[in-house]
Amino acid sequence: DGGITQSPKYLFRKEGQNVTLSCEQNLNHDAMYWYRQDPGQGLRLIYYSQIVNDFQKGDIAEGYSVSREKKESFPLTVTSAQKNPTAFYLCASSSSPGLAGGVAKNIQYFGAGTRLSVL
Amino acid sequence: QQPVQSPQAVILREGEDAVINCSSSKALYSVHWYRQKHGEAPVFLMILLKGGEQKGHEKISASFNEKKQQSSLYLTASQLSYSGTYFCGTVVNQAGTALIFGKGTTLSVSS
Repeated sequence: DGGITQSPKYLFRKEGQNVTLSCEQNLNHDAMYWYRQDPGQGLRLIYYSQIVNDFQKGDIAEGYSVSREKKESFPLTVTSAQKNPTAFYLCASSSSPGLAGGVAKNIQYFGAGTRLSVL
Repeated sequence: QQPVQSPQAVILREGEDAVINCSSSKALYSVHWYRQKHGEAPVFLMILLKGGEQKGHEKISASFNEKKQQSSLYLTASQLSYSGTYFCGTVVNQAGTALIFGKGTTLSVSS
């Protein structure tokens, strides 16, 4: 079945530690996104990528890093610089024919999320 | 730039109707609606595009007033399964590269 797989489902971070959240999709989508969700805040964009080897910062990129070496994979690293990492993290993808117009007209498909907590 | 959703929360009995609104301070090219159950992934409901094009579920209706920069989601004859948090996501132009989501509206339907 096609879809987006996030792992792990639950993750615990020790102070000063970097942790990496995995996101894999087999939908053949060009565009991938990372969102952070806190209670009452909606979904806030961390990073997005429209094509392999290219990515852009979203609204709350500080303390996070990403890579896009393969079309199907978009891992997110929560670095020690992110002082308040406890949140629900969602990965999404959408088809993006060309670099313009894709996100406006195309459905975003979400993974089941990773819940990150600090020990 | 984040769209504003109203109301923040709605409580309904089965069979009642609800309207959820999404307003933007900027002109919009498209509005997307998603529903999320607690602890789960958001699920697509509807896309409304400038000019009137729509794609989405037949049982859910929505409107997009381009002049007012607003969209409304209409939930009629609500069912228990409608419970969840509804998010609108907006794109301000055709070249937009990401959705900007509102804070969500929580809908609770009871029997």
